[in-house]
Amino acid sequence: ETGVTQTPRHLVMGMTNKKSLKCEQHLGHNAMYWYKQSAKKPLELMFVYNFKEQTENNSVPSRFSPECPNSSHLFLHLHTLQPEDSALYLCASSQDYTDTQYFGPGTRLTVL
Amino acid sequence: AQSVTQPDIHITVSEGASLELRCNYSYGATPYLFWYVQSPGQGLQLLLKYFSGDTLVQGIKGFEAEFKRSQSSFNLRKPSVHWSDAAEYFCAVTTGGGNKLTFGTGTQLKVEL
Repeated sequence: ETGVTQTPRHLVMGMTNKKSLKCEQHLGHNAMYWYKQSAKKPLELMFVYNFKEQTENNSVPSRFSPECPNSSHLFLHLHTLQPEDSALYLCASSQDYTDTQYFGPGTRLTVL
Repeated sequence: AQSVTQPDIHITVSEGASLELRCNYSYGATPYLFWYVQSPGQGLQLLLKYFSGDTLVQGIKGFEAEFKRSQSSFNLRKPSVHWSDAAEYFCAVTTGGGNKLTFGTGTQLKVEL
């Protein structure tokens, strides 16, 4: 695997389910990011991790819970989501907090 | 707060025609500027970036962009569009001291054969 990978690519879940999104970067980067891409809205930065430490939480609801166990892996734990949370969730990584970001293919999430 | 405006939501061009996608930013300090492309169902791929130096930057797939400080613009150009260029294009800006990217709303490019 090269670059930034995300699994699953598609996820359908009910509002009472608990699921997790996984991101893995194979670039040796130290910073990782979660973005939300909704229809007709700009990409929204959700969380930033730099050397496994969370450095940014962009007022994201607590039903989204990130986890960064090491610099290569980033998770987004989901619970009791709302239909308006349906979106494409993109992961990105960069060498450090000031460098160019490289994106994964995203997870298309549908909340029923 | 920094912001990015992509005034064209949709653009249609004929294959082989030239292309210019507009991007205007609002930021007080020297910006770091990016263009990304997103094909359907895919993530964002970096086309090119401007940090400093020559204001005309070359990217992948034959794209280039020119930074014009006086106009607060970073327009993307390609002299001859290919059908495979049909995608959505995003302009983004950040500062040099942090990486909180601010994206525009995107321009959807359609290429007519």
